[in-house]
Amino acid sequence: DAGVIQSPRHEVTEMGQEVTLRCKPISGHDYLFWYRQTMMRGLELLIYFNNNVPIDDSGMPEDRFSAKMPNASFSTLKIQPSEPRDSAVYFCASSTPTGEYSYEQYFGPGTRLTVT
Amino acid sequence: GQQVMQIPQYQHVQEGEDFTTYCNSSTTLSNIQWYKQRPGGHPVFLIQLVKSGEVKKQKRLTFQFGEAKKNSSLHITATQTTDVGTYFCAGFRYSNYQLIWGAGTKLIIKP
Repeated sequence: DAGVIQSPRHEVTEMGQEVTLRCKPISGHDYLFWYRQTMMRGLELLIYFNNNVPIDDSGMPEDRFSAKMPNASFSTLKIQPSEPRDSAVYFCASSTPTGEYSYEQYFGPGTRLTVT
Repeated sequence: GQQVMQIPQYQHVQEGEDFTTYCNSSTTLSNIQWYKQRPGGHPVFLIQLVKSGEVKKQKRLTFQFGEAKKNSSLHITATQTTDVGTYFCAGFRYSNYQLIWGAGTKLIIKP
């Protein structure tokens, strides 16, 4: 399996521009998570989906952020308009219960976003 | 809300010395997971502990889960340069299928 795939790996954009981050989860995984990582705030859960349905978006910072999962193999995280404080590494992770107690998450390589 | 506190934030050790990081949760956990993130990389799952008082070993790494299922530790014996990175604990609760992440402990090997 190719693992979780994210694109782009790096994104540099100007303040006010729209940014779209993409994720392909591991085939067969029914949970998908979007995280943001910064030095100041650590690893933050933004939103997660189960079977393509958003379950908890309480971590989404504000209305400028939106996420979709149109099918089991694709998800997007969009920021519109972007601001310098959105600069961070954004990770996508996927998971599925593999046993009674197994709920580990598999992370993609991340997208490093810089907003100038 | 739920929190998982992890200490220390950083630990500098000489190669060959031991390393320990500790996590404490404000609530009882269903399980606790440990991840490692190499510099510039992404978190990678190491292990999951489920049972009260459980101890698991992976070569030089020893993981413990407290009796009350609220605290956990990771101990590395005789650190090597390949151990460099940030170690995260993450508490899992079945009720909302979310991981509550600790802030991580960064292991730095002194030259």
